[in-house]
Amino acid sequence: DAMVIQNPRYQVTQFGKPVTLSCSQTLNHNVMYWYQQKSSQAPKLLFHYYDKDFNNEADTPDNFQSRRPNTSFCFLDIRSPGLGDAAMYLCATSTRTGQETQYFGPGTRLLVL
Amino acid sequence: EDQVTQSPEALRLQEGESSSLNCSYTVSGLRGLFWYRQDPGKGPEFLFTLYSAGEEKEKERLKATLTKKESFLHITAPKPEDSATYLCAVSHAGNNRKLIWGLGTSLAVNP
Repeated sequence: DAMVIQNPRYQVTQFGKPVTLSCSQTLNHNVMYWYQQKSSQAPKLLFHYYDKDFNNEADTPDNFQSRRPNTSFCFLDIRSPGLGDAAMYLCATSTRTGQETQYFGPGTRLLVL
Repeated sequence: EDQVTQSPEALRLQEGESSSLNCSYTVSGLRGLFWYRQDPGKGPEFLFTLYSAGEEKEKERLKATLTKKESFLHITAPKPEDSATYLCAVSHAGNNRKLIWGLGTSLAVNP
């Protein structure tokens, strides 16, 4: 089945130690998104790629970066994680932006010690 | 201000007790309304997309409807496995890159 895969499912890091989360998709979608979701909150969009074009949200901290080396893979890099960055990180894909449905992966739970 | 409001925040039902969840929205130029189910510790699972007022979609015990101001997710004869948080999100002409999300309704179905 076509799907969105995220690894790892759980990640523990230390305060200030860089961490990378990965996302892959077999849907062949053009757009890949990264969201942050904290407990009892709605998902918050960090940025997205439309093909190779990177689109950052204005309120996304500089501490968060992303790479998309090819259509199938996208990475979220947190350069210096703080305690406030502990959250669920969700990857989603869609054929294009706008009214197209976004399909989500299972998420990566990040814990910062 | 563009926003999405879901009600109730939490709902507890007995198995077999049908009910509805509400998603009201105030956006300029609705392009699509999306319903997702989210289980604890997992990513949102897509349920339905609705594009225009009057549209209805069904899947098993769930039925989603859309008017010009709100959407309802009707749950008929729910089972305990329907327990989850149900999220609503909209895409609108003012910013077609970014969905506006509601905070969700937490549904618990008791056996």
